[in-house]
Amino acid sequence: DAGVIQSPRHEVTEMGQEVTLRCKPISGHNSLFWYRQTMMRGLELLIYFNNNVPIDDSGMPEDRFSAKMPNASFSTLKIQPSEPRDSAVYLCASRGPNSPLHFGNGTRLTVT
Amino acid sequence: SQQGEEDPQALSIQEGENATMNCSYKTSINNLQWYRQNSGRGLVHLILIRSNEREKHSGRLRVTLDTSKKSSSLLITASRAADTASYFCATDDGGNQFYFGTGTSLTVIP
Repeated sequence: DAGVIQSPRHEVTEMGQEVTLRCKPISGHNSLFWYRQTMMRGLELLIYFNNNVPIDDSGMPEDRFSAKMPNASFSTLKIQPSEPRDSAVYLCASRGPNSPLHFGNGTRLTVT
Repeated sequence: SQQGEEDPQALSIQEGENATMNCSYKTSINNLQWYRQNSGRGLVHLILIRSNEREKHSGRLRVTLDTSKKSSSLLITASRAADTASYFCATDDGGNQFYFGTGTSLTVIP
């Protein structure tokens, strides 16, 4: 079990650039979650998928954020255009039926 | 916000001492879970307690739940330097909505 894999681990970009974060969930898990973590706001759920279908995206801050899950083994979170206030750690998690959340190690995003 | 709160925000103890962290939440729950996060890493699940349970043990961890007070506590006994991390509680309503607390930063001094 390789765990949830996120890439890149660190991303530094300039304001206005497009950022794409990637996540590979644990094989067999049917739910995938994207969280944003900051000191000020803690852990915020952005969106989650069940069986590759977006179920709740009410946490997505604004239209600059989009997420896709084209298949059971891959998801992306895209920010276009990025802004300095998007700087945070973005965590991906997956879970199977009746299991706890399994988190990746996150992507630390810095937008200058 | 349905987000819970941990108390204290930060805790520093000597190795071998016990560490107690508290969590308060706002809505009815199905389960309450505790997670640990080491610096620069993701969260790792520690223990789950169901709403009809009052206490649960796992190794050096002891969790209590008081649904009437909407609160839970996590006790780590005989702490070790390796226990240094942030600890979060998370509640769920039985579905896929998890509400995380603000976390307690624990430092265990060798």
